[in-house]
Amino acid sequence: KAGVTQTPRYLIKTRGQQVTLSCSPISGHRSVSWYQQTPGQGLQFLFEYFSETQRNKGNFPGRFSGRQFSNSRSEMNVSTLELGDSALYLCASSATGGDTQYFGPGTRLTVL
Amino acid sequence: GENVEQHPSTLSVQEGDSAVIKCTYSDSASNYFPWYKQELGKGPQLIIDIRSNVGEKKDQRIAVTLNKTAKHFSLHITETQPEDSAVYFCAASFGANFGNEKLTFGTGTRLTIIP
Repeated sequence: KAGVTQTPRYLIKTRGQQVTLSCSPISGHRSVSWYQQTPGQGLQFLFEYFSETQRNKGNFPGRFSGRQFSNSRSEMNVSTLELGDSALYLCASSATGGDTQYFGPGTRLTVL
Repeated sequence: GENVEQHPSTLSVQEGDSAVIKCTYSDSASNYFPWYKQELGKGPQLIIDIRSNVGEKKDQRIAVTLNKTAKHFSLHITETQPEDSAVYFCAASFGANFGNEKLTFGTGTRLTIIP
């Protein structure tokens, strides 16, 4: 089976812009979670989607949003980018609730 | 919410020796504890996981132990090899109980294997 794929792999944006990141889970997996990884804060949970519904949300401002499509692919959007949003954004998929999560390679976002 | 502490933050081990990384968690409801290995430029890769109904799990050179009473779990790597050099993260969640998933990660351990 193909692993979790994320596009794009690298992104450079300027403050105030918005960005959309995409994640394709492992075939058959219905749960997709998003994490932000920074040197200062480590790996932090953003949100989790299952069957197109957001089931869990971390402590991030409303500028961070996501959605999941009927084929389980997911997107996350960050509006009004700030310098502090520069990070590696990781997507993880699992079959269903409580299962092992498998991570993609991440999208490296740089905000200038 | 859950809080996971991980020690040490850096660890250097002679090739062939063993490495041990320890984590403690705060929420007694947590019941799933995975370990991930992250190499430069890559996403975290699951190397082993354990659920709260098991005290120990082993997979070749890697083992994980769990002490629910003390709320801590450890990763043991034996006969270390240069390719074991990476950053290792522990995590905890109670997804199996509530049907949703939120991993809380430790701060990571940078393991360096000295040839």
